[in-house]
Amino acid sequence: DIQLTQSPSFLSASVGDRVTITCRASQGISSDLAWYQQKPGKAPKVLIYAASTLQSGVPSRFSGSGSGTEFTLTISSLQPEDFATYYCQQRNSYPITFGQGTRLEIK
Amino acid sequence: EVQLVESGGGLVQPGGSLRLSCAASGFTFSDHYMDWVRQAPGKGLEWVGRIRNKANSYTTEYAASVKGRFSISRDDSKNSLYLQMNSLKTEDTAVYYCTRAILVAGRTHFDYWGQGTLVTVSS
Repeated sequence: DIQLTQSPSFLSASVGDRVTITCRASQGISSDLAWYQQKPGKAPKVLIYAASTLQSGVPSRFSGSGSGTEFTLTISSLQPEDFATYYCQQRNSYPITFGQGTRLEIK
Repeated sequence: EVQLVESGGGLVQPGGSLRLSCAASGFTFSDHYMDWVRQAPGKGLEWVGRIRNKANSYTTEYAASVKGRFSISRDDSKNSLYLQMNSLKTEDTAVYYCTRAILVAGRTHFDYWGQGTLVTVSS
């Protein structure tokens, strides 16, 4: 199975900050990575797929990059509604796996 | 508007069975792969399994943790997805989400999710 390790697991930041979350895969997965945002009590929402393609309707302050084993999700200027938990997910091979999550909280 | 609505969750004893349903609307259900993803209380996301579309012979994939106990099926005439869960264990306690998998360049991600249904396995 492909393991995904996110760092950090917890991040405290302020409105307006630029933040970056990293996802490392245990083996190469090309660009087969998606990012999701989940707010408490809600279903996840896809932000980015194919490592860097912005899902329709997602604000442009979100961006993704990387390929192979290292990927990043960047939020260029944090907004109050961005405080949530973020997950990466690989779609390269079965079983589909998720990272453990990064909880982003207001400083 | 795409909608996925799960039902069938509840409290079940260890060793018991439960069948979850997901009613889909707002898109051509028969065209899409459909998946189940679960989330234990306070934990991260875990993929449960997938059923492909008719064009791909309705084949299925499962996580090792549920293989042989859970079974995914679909009824395209009813725009419905199902998860039959047998031999339930306490560690199967989770919110179960129905998700639509969208195929892009031969790979899939989950572009729509239901609101989830809670399954609690406890004596």
